[in-house]
Amino acid sequence: SQQGEEDPQALSIQEGENATMNCSYKTSINNLQWYRQNSGRGLVHLILIRSNEREKHSGRLRVTLDTSKKSSSLLITASRAADTASYFCATDDVDTGFQKLVFGTGTRLLVSP
Amino acid sequence: DSGVTQTPKHLITATGQRVTLRCSPRSGDLSVYWYQQSLDQGLQFLIQYYNGEERAKGNILERFSAQQFPDLHSELNLSSLELGDSALYFCASSPWGDYEQYFGPGTRLTVT
Repeated sequence: SQQGEEDPQALSIQEGENATMNCSYKTSINNLQWYRQNSGRGLVHLILIRSNEREKHSGRLRVTLDTSKKSSSLLITASRAADTASYFCATDDVDTGFQKLVFGTGTRLLVSP
Repeated sequence: DSGVTQTPKHLITATGQRVTLRCSPRSGDLSVYWYQQSLDQGLQFLIQYYNGEERAKGNILERFSAQQFPDLHSELNLSSLELGDSALYFCASSPWGDYEQYFGPGTRLTVT
């Protein structure tokens, strides 16, 4: 079963606008990651934030993490048509200590020119 | 290009059959993971191998098995296939101690 729930399920915006996606998870984590998937293709790692971090930036991406609320958000600023993809949050499994990833349900982002 | 390769890209087979999916990890990565992505279940972790040994198991059916060979490539074997096994199967790899995983392009399995 999936650990994370993402909101919204789908998001449609214009180029240049910002896109915000939210992820909620259920258990304790060591870190949370965001991945992007272009239609039916492999996942690409975007950013990792550790449980002791609150905010992280990478280029046009900003990720926040609130472990007290078990939630994270991904902000893409000045979006481009090439950002059209599905975005997934993924958490590790603290209980087993292994590196398996538990993925959220994903947000489908459509950026129109 | 992540450096992880998977073959074949597409596979169409009938119910009851057996197939083998192959994955070559990035050079130097000792860990290999298998995931299944379907419309109803989303992305599900199946199994992890590290340097030839099984390290973690997820929602992997008994009809499915995997192994990692001495050259670190991995194979996922799916047997007695059912319609519900139709999905994208991804392989990912990572170095030990690194949480970032690098995904292959996937194998799309269609069971008819």
